[in-house]
Amino acid sequence: EADIYQTPRYLVIGTGKKITLECSQTMGHDKMYWYQQDPGMELHLIHYSYGVNSTEKGDLSSESTVSRIRTEHFPLTLESARPSHTSQYLCASRETGWIVTEAFFGQGTRLTVV
Amino acid sequence: GDSVTQMEGPVTLSEEAFLTINCTYTATGYPSLFWYVQYPGEGLQLLLKATKADDKGSNKGFEATYRKETTSFHLEKGSVQVSDSAVYFCALSNSGGYQKVTFGTGTKLQVIP
Repeated sequence: EADIYQTPRYLVIGTGKKITLECSQTMGHDKMYWYQQDPGMELHLIHYSYGVNSTEKGDLSSESTVSRIRTEHFPLTLESARPSHTSQYLCASRETGWIVTEAFFGQGTRLTVV
Repeated sequence: GDSVTQMEGPVTLSEEAFLTINCTYTATGYPSLFWYVQYPGEGLQLLLKATKADDKGSNKGFEATYRKETTSFHLEKGSVQVSDSAVYFCALSNSGGYQKVTFGTGTKLQVIP
């Protein structure tokens, strides 16, 4: 069973509010990722990190920001939520190394901005 | 860049029917290939994987063979159950330091009794 946790599972928030989606893993993985999943189920990489103090933007432009101060923690922040941010957000992590390994996913946060 | 193409869904099958979900890829080098499954309200979980050409990944009755000559990794199951209803994602990742995962668009499977 994967040891990667996302909170909250569901969030309804008003436009203009600042929110932080939490993601934590206890597997000691250096690589962590945030994906946005649209209603059609397609996954879009919005941020990734290869270790502490390393963050990069993904393939899909996002108004969110991330930080990686500790190996186990990779929070995503929206400074001012808008209805267009309504989506499912998935966090994932992978083991470090040159051998390709599978990604482990959290259960996701379903965000609704009203 | 790398890309994954999956057959579009939704796919609706009767229980005990044979399942095939097609997946083809474009990538540089020698990627590893994966199938992930997402049950309703959950995150993704690994179903099976193959790391080199001609490898067959298998799990829970599902199988997929890494075909380099056709750049394909089709998912199959001989007899589906209602509990297999989920969204299935084909994915690839290259070796090396970066290892970004490229996902297909997902195929929704509904199995009816």
